[in-house]
Amino acid sequence: EPEVTQTPSHQVTQMGQEVILRCVPISNHLYFYWYRQILGQKVEFLVSFYNNEISEKSEIFDDQFSVERPDGSNFTLKIRSTKLEDSAMYFCASSLIASYGEQYFGPGTRLTVT
Amino acid sequence: DAKTTQPTSMDCAEGRAANLPCNHSTISGNEYVYWYRQIHSQGPQYIIHGLKNNETNEMASLIITEDRKSSTLILPHATLRDTAVYYCIVRDSGGSNYKLTFGKGTLLTVNP
Repeated sequence: EPEVTQTPSHQVTQMGQEVILRCVPISNHLYFYWYRQILGQKVEFLVSFYNNEISEKSEIFDDQFSVERPDGSNFTLKIRSTKLEDSAMYFCASSLIASYGEQYFGPGTRLTVT
Repeated sequence: DAKTTQPTSMDCAEGRAANLPCNHSTISGNEYVYWYRQIHSQGPQYIIHGLKNNETNEMASLIITEDRKSSTLILPHATLRDTAVYYCIVRDSGGSNYKLTFGKGTLLTVNP
């Protein structure tokens, strides 16, 4: 069964450093998403991406964040200058349809900012 | 914020049916009801969704009341691996809505 994969599973970085989180969505999916979950809190939407552009983003997704689909398979989330409060699980998801299609999530990357 | 209300936690005996309720009294005509679950620290997993008719798949059944103000997710024969947080999400089917808005969900504990 096709699945969303994410690398690395755990990333430790120092405050102020740039990190890139990587995702490989399901191959025929067209819509891609990033969510995050701070420990003990809700899963929060960050951004959605379709046709090589951002289609929706939350207030959390400020200028420190960017997304890219550098090739036909990868989808990345970059945090330019990490802060302590960026420590969280980051989940990538993909879907075939946007508005009423189910989203399939990856296993997540645990980002720890020290 | 989340448009749904769910109990904080529920218990179920292994092998029995687990019935998870959700209230969504302000749901509008073009909003679907989705259920996801999150097993500890893993990514959310899609379970089922519906608009107004009852739905069934290999994982669960979704029963939506006629007025659509509440729904119940049924896991017919719960196993220990079904222990997870279950999220009921109401989502507009409109073309510009992409995100899922997660609430706190219901922690279902399946006991041996």
